[in-house]
Amino acid sequence: QKEVEQNSGPLSVPEGAIASLNCTYSDRGSQSFFWYRQYSGKSPELIMFIYSNGDKEDGRFTAQLNKASQYVSLLIRDSQPSDSATYLCAVNPSGTYKYIFGTGTRLKVLA
Amino acid sequence: DTEVTQTPKHLVMGMTNKKSLKCEQHMGHRAMYWYKQKAKKPPELMFVYSYEKLSINESVPSRFSPECPNSSLLNLHLHALQPEDSALYLCASSQVAAGYQETQYFGPGTRLLVL
Repeated sequence: QKEVEQNSGPLSVPEGAIASLNCTYSDRGSQSFFWYRQYSGKSPELIMFIYSNGDKEDGRFTAQLNKASQYVSLLIRDSQPSDSATYLCAVNPSGTYKYIFGTGTRLKVLA
Repeated sequence: DTEVTQTPKHLVMGMTNKKSLKCEQHMGHRAMYWYKQKAKKPPELMFVYSYEKLSINESVPSRFSPECPNSSLLNLHLHALQPEDSALYLCASSQVAAGYQETQYFGPGTRLLVL
């Protein structure tokens, strides 16, 4: 069973702090990794994607991928209350059309 | 432009009704997806179309019937649904590329309530 695991949270951080969200996956053949943000009652919104080992930065967001350890993380710098949402990690095993989603981590940024 | 549109936004239907959900994208994507999402759960894949052909059916009950009339449109026909089918139905699209999965972009969803 291919799995993607996330801590469901809630993860609470003060405004201005760094939020660190983690995701582990079981399929070593996975090639593509995605982070989506989902506000309550809304659809998932793409935040970052990463294919290669290492870090990828986009504004306040940094995705980190370590294929040897089978984890991918998302760092949010200078967290804002508007970042409060559920963050979904999605993994694409072996180039298929399927995403395997984690259960999501609920982030609360406290003003 | 990374927009996927879905209509209607909300739908209430009885168990004997027939209704359809519609999805449209103009990004030139050749893969389109239907997902079902229940509260506090991740999206659950239902169907995948690639180049207008059904490539994945995740053992979805036949009361859900997908259709891909052309490369920009995706429909989901609903008939004789059950109350437990009430959920947020999400459409997504992506480019098709060899080697790895292209990013999926989600539409705003249709909130379905079955009475």
